[in-house]
Amino acid sequence: AQSVSQHNHHVILSEAASLELGCNYSYGGTVNLFWYVQYPGQHLQLLLKYFSGDPLVKGIKGFEAEFIKSKFSFNLRKPSVQWSDTAEYFCAVIISGGYQKVTFGTGTKLQVIP
Amino acid sequence: NAGVTQTPKFRILKIGQSMTLQCTQDMNHNYMYWYRQDPGMGLKLIYYSVGAGITDKGEVPNGYNVSRSTTEDFPLRLELAAPSQTSVYFCASSPQSSLGTQYFGPGTRLLVL
Repeated sequence: AQSVSQHNHHVILSEAASLELGCNYSYGGTVNLFWYVQYPGQHLQLLLKYFSGDPLVKGIKGFEAEFIKSKFSFNLRKPSVQWSDTAEYFCAVIISGGYQKVTFGTGTKLQVIP
Repeated sequence: NAGVTQTPKFRILKIGQSMTLQCTQDMNHNYMYWYRQDPGMGLKLIYYSVGAGITDKGEVPNGYNVSRSTTEDFPLRLELAAPSQTSVYFCASSPQSSLGTQYFGPGTRLLVL
């Protein structure tokens, strides 16, 4: 079964700092990868996704993620964070063409200080 | 479109009581899911369904039951509530054309005392 690891549980940044959140998955086959965001008191929303093609994926609100197959990683980045980016971020994986179950990481809480 | 709706938003149960969490989607998605979210634990899949009449267990199905009689509705049943079921429950749906792209409901916060 696939698994997802997010090693940063809580990240605190000042506004305008750069962000990189780590995500590693364990599965040897083809996967689809996602980042979801949960703003305080809200439900999860899709931030970006990778199915195939260009490994550098751009999402909403200036976020991007890079799929590095050799490292089983799908790290989330943003050049300059804003206070409104304060949220919890979840990496997720689904086996491509196979099971319909999505496996989520445990999440990273990002706190941006004005 | 309303997307995915869940009721109730919040509920307090006594140990041993039962209840049904409702979930409805109006996007004609085949796939629907129930998750529970506990602090620091991410989302754990309880049950999922790939279409009306078809359901299957996820990671943490014990103490729960589901049914899928229509494409739109996917209720989650707790038969004998236990304190360990205190959590936030999210329902989600996904189109077959983009598996993994999940649309979440607003959640139900459940407290079992």
